[in-house]
Amino acid sequence: GAVVSQHPSRVICKSGTSVKIECRSLDFQATTMFWYRQFPKQSLMLMATSNEGSKATYEQGVEKDKFLINHASLTLSTLTVTSAHPEDSSFYICSARDVNRPALYGYTFGSGTRLTVV
Amino acid sequence: AQSVAQPEDQVNVAEGNPLTVKCTYSVSGNPYLFWYVQYPNRGLQFLLKYITGDNLVKGSYGFEAEFNKSQTSFHLKKPSALVSDSALYFCAVRDISGYSTLTFGKGTMLLVSP
Repeated sequence: GAVVSQHPSRVICKSGTSVKIECRSLDFQATTMFWYRQFPKQSLMLMATSNEGSKATYEQGVEKDKFLINHASLTLSTLTVTSAHPEDSSFYICSARDVNRPALYGYTFGSGTRLTVV
Repeated sequence: AQSVAQPEDQVNVAEGNPLTVKCTYSVSGNPYLFWYVQYPNRGLQFLLKYITGDNLVKGSYGFEAEFNKSQTSFHLKKPSALVSDSALYFCAVRDISGYSTLTFGKGTMLLVSP
């Protein structure tokens, strides 16, 4: 089945530094990937839609300059949290859609990244 | 705009008893509905989906869900709960008329006691 690998699973960084999170589709090509943020005991909040070869589409209220998304290939999207602050601490999850399968079937999720900014 | 409501923050059930996790939705057109499960510090795992056809959908781990168009509901059910079913469950909806992302409910924590 479709597998999405997300790395790292956990990261602790100092305030002011940047952190990159990778999302890879291992056995399929993904023209579209989605980045979510999840607060404790809360649902997933869609941050942005990442499209291969073009700029990401950010949801309202999400800072583009803070959450940099790059989708340079059909199997890799990255989310970089720039100048991280403690309030950026959260659980980040990516999702990928298989380009060869109908859109409504192709949502496969990564295992998530727990970011802690100290 | 599409939306999903999961009215219960938490559902408690004893092992061996049937369980129901409720979900209602709102979309402008025909819905595509999904249930996902999340274990602590993990991503979401797909359980089942309703696209079209039979209103009773069977999924992974013995779960099933019933689509009710008149009540705009898609409740998740299992005849006999296991302790290992304890997790966070998300209902999600997508409108087939062009909106390409999933909208999630806030999640329901299922706790199955031995």
